[in-house]
Amino acid sequence: SYVLTQPPSVSVAPGQTARITCGGNNIGSKSVHWYQQKPGQAPVLVVYDDSDRPSGIPERFSGSNSGNTATLTVSRVEAGDEADYYCQVWDSNFDHAGVFGTGTKVTVL
Amino acid sequence: EVQLLESGGGFVQPGGSLRLSCAASGFTFSSYAMTWVRQAPGKGLEWVSTISLSDTTTYYADSVKGRFTVSRDNSKNTLYLQMNSLRAEDTAVYYCAKWIGGSSTSLDYWGQGTLVTVSS
Repeated sequence: SYVLTQPPSVSVAPGQTARITCGGNNIGSKSVHWYQQKPGQAPVLVVYDDSDRPSGIPERFSGSNSGNTATLTVSRVEAGDEADYYCQVWDSNFDHAGVFGTGTKVTVL
Repeated sequence: EVQLLESGGGFVQPGGSLRLSCAASGFTFSSYAMTWVRQAPGKGLEWVSTISLSDTTTYYADSVKGRFTVSRDNSKNTLYLQMNSLRAEDTAVYYCAKWIGGSSTSLDYWGQGTLVTVSS
C-alpha cells in the first residue's frame, strides 16, 4: 500500500514560515491535499489538488508538489496556526484507497 | 450551510456490531461521493471507506474490508457505516466527510465525529 511520511513535528516562531513535507513514491504524479486539525476539532481542508485553496483559507497557506515530496507552506505564521497537519492522496494505482500522511504537529514558539 | 452530523457511536464489546449514520444537509447529497475517516485516541487520521455518489462503487481500507459496509440513502440524505466483528483496534472517533466534487479527491466538509469504543 502507498505510504506518506511526514515529520512528527515542526517548530516556528510567529511571523516566520513553516514548511511541512509529505514524502511518497513519485507523489508528484498524484494530487495532494492538506488538512489542519486543532485539538478536539474535526479536520479542515486548507489546500487541495497540490496548491488550490478552499474559500475562506488565507493566502498564507500554499502548497507545492514535485518528485517524491509535497510541501505545505504556512507564511507569516500566527499562534492560531498551531495544529496538526495531514497530507492526503487517493491511490488509484493498485487498490483504490485514500491515504493519509502520518501527521505533523506544528508548534508556534 | 453544509452540515454533516454523525450518530450511532457508543460502547460495544469485541465481536459486536454498530451502525453509524451521517445526516447531511445544505448541499445536494446525491451529487457527491462520501467518505468515512477514523482517528484512534491520540493517533492520526485513517481513511476507512468511500462510496460513490450513486452507491454503485465502494472502497475499503484493508483493515476493515469484509467487516464494514458503507451505504447511502440519497432519499434520506444519509450515509451509513455498518460495522461488524468489531475489534479493540476499531476504537476511534469516526468522521464522515464530503468529497469536494469534480475530479478532486479532497474532502471539503467534515462532521464533528462520533466515538466508537470497543472493549470488554
